[in-house]
Amino acid sequence: GNSVTQMEGPVTLSEEAFLTINCTYTATGYPSLFWYVQYPGEGLQLLLKATKADDKGSNKGFEATYRKETTSFHLEKGSVQVSDSAVYFCALLNQAGTALIFGKGTTLSVSS
Amino acid sequence: SAVISQKPSRDICQRGTSLTIQCQVDSQVTMMFWYRQQPGQSLTLIATANQGSEATYESGFVIDKFPISRPNLTFSTLTVSNMSPEDSSIYLCSVSSAADTEAFFGQGTRLTVV
Repeated sequence: GNSVTQMEGPVTLSEEAFLTINCTYTATGYPSLFWYVQYPGEGLQLLLKATKADDKGSNKGFEATYRKETTSFHLEKGSVQVSDSAVYFCALLNQAGTALIFGKGTTLSVSS
Repeated sequence: SAVISQKPSRDICQRGTSLTIQCQVDSQVTMMFWYRQQPGQSLTLIATANQGSEATYESGFVIDKFPISRPNLTFSTLTVSNMSPEDSSIYLCSVSSAADTEAFFGQGTRLTVV
């Protein structure tokens, strides 16, 4: 079945540093790919998504490109802020195309 | 978007008892799901809650342990039965209006079994 492998954390960065969180997937076909974020004390929320190969999802300065050749969907941000401290989850749809399958999550801590 | 209200937000329960978690959505949604997030782990899908019929369970989860109801398009319950400390987790309700669209999540229910 579909699965996702995500870089394990924690990741600790200084403010304005460059961020990359790696995510690779195994899937039948080309399912939509997602990054979800969980800020401290809050519920899980969608950060960005890409629905087909070469699509780039972006939001709040974060970007991820759907790479079919490398089966990857790495999350990047050029300059992180303290407010970006959260847990980030890479996800894709299951084979039925209904529910999400999540990676293990990566905790990001940004210090000023 | 959808606003999800999940109750209770947290509970501490004795082993051997059962807890029912409620999920209320502010609009009619096609799909509702229940996930479990064990301490330090990712989210694992427990089941898809189907309106008017039995839920569809993922491998490793059974109806006797996690009975689910979904009487209409805005409400679902998950019961964690005959609890043991291994059931201590965050349980999350999730909804989406259609396949391949954004999924929304409740705040979760933090369950501790002692």
